[in-house]
Amino acid sequence: GAVVSQHPSWVICKSGTSVKIECRSLDFQATTMFWYRQFPKQSLMLMATSNEGSKATYEQGVEKDKFLINHASLTLSTLTVTSAHPEDSSFYICSARSLAGGDEQFFGPGTRLTVL
Amino acid sequence: RKEVEQDPGPFNVPEGATVAFNCTYSNSASQSFFWYRQDCRKEPKLLMSVYSSGNEDGRFTAQLNRASQYISLLIRDSKLSDSATYLCVVTTTGFQKLVFGTGTRLLVSP
Repeated sequence: GAVVSQHPSWVICKSGTSVKIECRSLDFQATTMFWYRQFPKQSLMLMATSNEGSKATYEQGVEKDKFLINHASLTLSTLTVTSAHPEDSSFYICSARSLAGGDEQFFGPGTRLTVL
Repeated sequence: RKEVEQDPGPFNVPEGATVAFNCTYSNSASQSFFWYRQDCRKEPKLLMSVYSSGNEDGRFTAQLNRASQYISLLIRDSKLSDSATYLCVVTTTGFQKLVFGTGTRLLVSP
């Protein structure tokens, strides 16, 4: 089956630093990758949709200058949380949809970010 | 009003019980419907798609009522391993975005 990896799986950083999270589709090419955020006891909330080679589309209320998304290839998208603050602590999950078509999104295992 | 609403639970049931989850969605233009399962601190995993005709996968039965904008999931003969949070998910036009409900937590006890 389609596999999506994320790196790192968890990260702890100091307030004010930037953190980069990678999302890779390992055995397929992804036209579109999605970034979600999940706070404790809440559901996944879509942050942005990224297509390879073009600018990401951000959901309402998500600051594009704070959450930088780069989708440089069909197998890699990165999310950089700039100047992280404790309220950015969350579970960040990416998903990818295959170039081969179909509706299914394949999810990465998530990255747990803790900002001190 | 949230776009996808679920009873958060938790539902505490004994092994072998039958349990049903409900979900309502507000966007009548929603096109595809799914149930996902999420274990604690893990990513969501697709459990099954939901069709108007109803569909069954082993102990799991899903149903969609477009007129009422209502989705259900029935789990028969609950196992301990069914303990998880069940997420109701709908997609928007063009199948681009998945919209997740807050999830219903299920705890199956011996």
